[in-house]
Amino acid sequence: AQSVTQPDIHITVSEGASLELRCNYSYGATPYLFWYVQSPGQGLQLLLKYFSGDTLVQGIKGFEAEFKRSQSSFNLRKPSVHWSDAAEYFCAVGMNNAGNMLTFGGGTRLMVKP
Amino acid sequence: EADIYQTPRYLVIGTGKKITLECSQTMGHDKMYWYQQDPGMELHLIHYSYGVNSTEKGDLSSESTVSRIRTEHFPLTLESARPSHTSQYLCASSRGSEAFFGQGTRLTVV
Repeated sequence: AQSVTQPDIHITVSEGASLELRCNYSYGATPYLFWYVQSPGQGLQLLLKYFSGDTLVQGIKGFEAEFKRSQSSFNLRKPSVHWSDAAEYFCAVGMNNAGNMLTFGGGTRLMVKP
Repeated sequence: EADIYQTPRYLVIGTGKKITLECSQTMGHDKMYWYQQDPGMELHLIHYSYGVNSTEKGDLSSESTVSRIRTEHFPLTLESARPSHTSQYLCASSRGSEAFFGQGTRLTVV
């Protein structure tokens, strides 16, 4: 069965600092990988996704993520965090033939200090 | 921008009441999903549907039921709400490999 681990439950960074949120997955083949962001009281918004090809993918709001097969990781990065980035971030994995059902990690809550 | 809507956004209801959480999408997606999310926790799939008249249970056991009579509509029903059902319920739909989520219904059973 597939699984997703986000080792950091909470992360606090200063505004303007760089950010990296970790995500490790367990899956027997090449998965579909996603990062979603959830603001308080809101649904999930897709930041970026990886299906195949270039292992560095660009997303919305200045985020990027790198797929590293050897490490089973798909870490999310942003060079300079803005206060509006404070939210909960979820990494998810989906099987390419499973009707798009996603398995989510536990989430990382990002707090941004002024 | 995704067009998937959930109502109500917030619901506080007494134990034993029957409730239906609504989810509608205007994108013509065949696949729809319900996830349950406790505060600060991950999302768990509780129901999904591949199309009209198709419903399946997800990874997390749930006392709720769903129906899919129309492509655009995927309501979730609890026949008798209990405090253990207090949670956030997120509906999603997809065509291809990207899922679009509604804003969620935060349910509190008192």
